[in-house]
Amino acid sequence: GIQVEQSPPDLILQEGANSTLRCNFSDSVNNLQWFHQNPWGQLINLFYIPSGTKQNGRLSATTVATERYSLLYISSSQTTDSGVYFCAVGGGNTGKLIFGQGTTLQVKP
Amino acid sequence: DGGITQSPKYLFRKEGQNVTLSCEQNLNHDAMYWYRQDPGQGLRLIYYSQIVNDFQKGDIAEGYSVSREKKESFPLTVTSAQKNPTAFYLCASSRLTGNSPLHFGNGTRLTVT
Repeated sequence: GIQVEQSPPDLILQEGANSTLRCNFSDSVNNLQWFHQNPWGQLINLFYIPSGTKQNGRLSATTVATERYSLLYISSSQTTDSGVYFCAVGGGNTGKLIFGQGTTLQVKP
Repeated sequence: DGGITQSPKYLFRKEGQNVTLSCEQNLNHDAMYWYRQDPGQGLRLIYYSQIVNDFQKGDIAEGYSVSREKKESFPLTVTSAQKNPTAFYLCASSRLTGNSPLHFGNGTRLTVT
């Protein structure tokens, strides 16, 4: 099956700093999504981005499907950005997603 | 507001008992999913359903069962055959037109002792 690798596993930032999270996947996909899990366990969908670039406020994401990677950019980080960021990918049309292990982000005030 | 409701938030059971986790959605989504998350890990797919009265096994279906009698509801039963049932269980749903964003409920933390 498809393998998903996220890096770095852990990241500590000072408030206001920028960061880039990476997601590599081992096979062609037609479904790629980024999620943020807050400290209470809630999972929020950030982007549905099988290819191209999208932006939503301070967050943006780029997926280069031909090279099998995606990047999540966080600019001017805030303490509320803390949590775990997951990349999830899928092929076919079932909507099934394979999740990476996540990047744990801590933003310090 | 539309969303996915999971209940209860916390659940405690003795070993050997079956337990059913509830998941209800009012997003009019066709597809529903159950994922399991262990501490410090990503999510793993247990079961999914794309249509009423039909469902398929995910990657870790052993020891679990589901039903899909209504579009809005997709309950998960953790049976006594599941060797390590203590985990965080997350229900999700999505439209089935092509691939579309996955939306999650707030999860149920199950502890079996």
